[in-house]
Amino acid sequence: EVQLLESGGGLVQPGGSLRLSCVASGFTFNNYDMTWVRQAPGKGLEWVSLISTSGLGTYYADSVKGRFTISRDNSKNTLYLEMTSLRAEDTAIYYCAKPYCTGSMCLHRFHDWGQGTLLTVST
Amino acid sequence: EIVLTQSPATLSVSPGERATLSCRASQSVAISLAWYQLKHGRTPRLLIYDASIRATDIPARFSGSGSGTEFTLTIDIVQPEDFVVYYCQHYHAWPLTFGGGTKVEIK
Repeated sequence: EVQLLESGGGLVQPGGSLRLSCVASGFTFNNYDMTWVRQAPGKGLEWVSLISTSGLGTYYADSVKGRFTISRDNSKNTLYLEMTSLRAEDTAIYYCAKPYCTGSMCLHRFHDWGQGTLLTVST
Repeated sequence: EIVLTQSPATLSVSPGERATLSCRASQSVAISLAWYQLKHGRTPRLLIYDASIRATDIPARFSGSGSGTEFTLTIDIVQPEDFVVYYCQHYHAWPLTFGGGTKVEIK
């Protein structure tokens, strides 16, 4: 059974930093691209960032580019999101999600999701 | 960036009726489109991928259609647990984007 467990959320002041983690189990982690998606209070889903299997390919939404860094440790089956220069509009539930991958190809539709971790950026 | 526009924002239907949700892309995404269901306080659930294929364990009352720029999610015989929010998402190009969502509410 695929399990994705996010952690690291909390209350941070504007301008602050935080690192989210997502521990994966139930599948061969290093065979899958991985992504972060967020949902702000009362808002819709927003794709944030994605990382390739090796970690060499990274992609970001314009809203977080230059402030967030996605990374992974395949030896620990863990995905990370390093967030800096945080703003009130970054307040959201952050989900990690696993796409469909076969062989060396991934299609970035997300079949498995974690429960999410809440980030609140406020004074 | 490919913009996905979902309509209507809120859809009022009675239990047992059919619900038809629309997702329009600002440029062609071929069939690289997925639909998700999001219940309050829960994790997103993939319903449909590749525009028309039901994901694992999704009831047959959910169906998807379309290609290019026009897509539809249909819920036949809406059940009480279906009154939640639905999102479309494309995976045709970077950046990935989601639509703004359609809330299905009880009429």
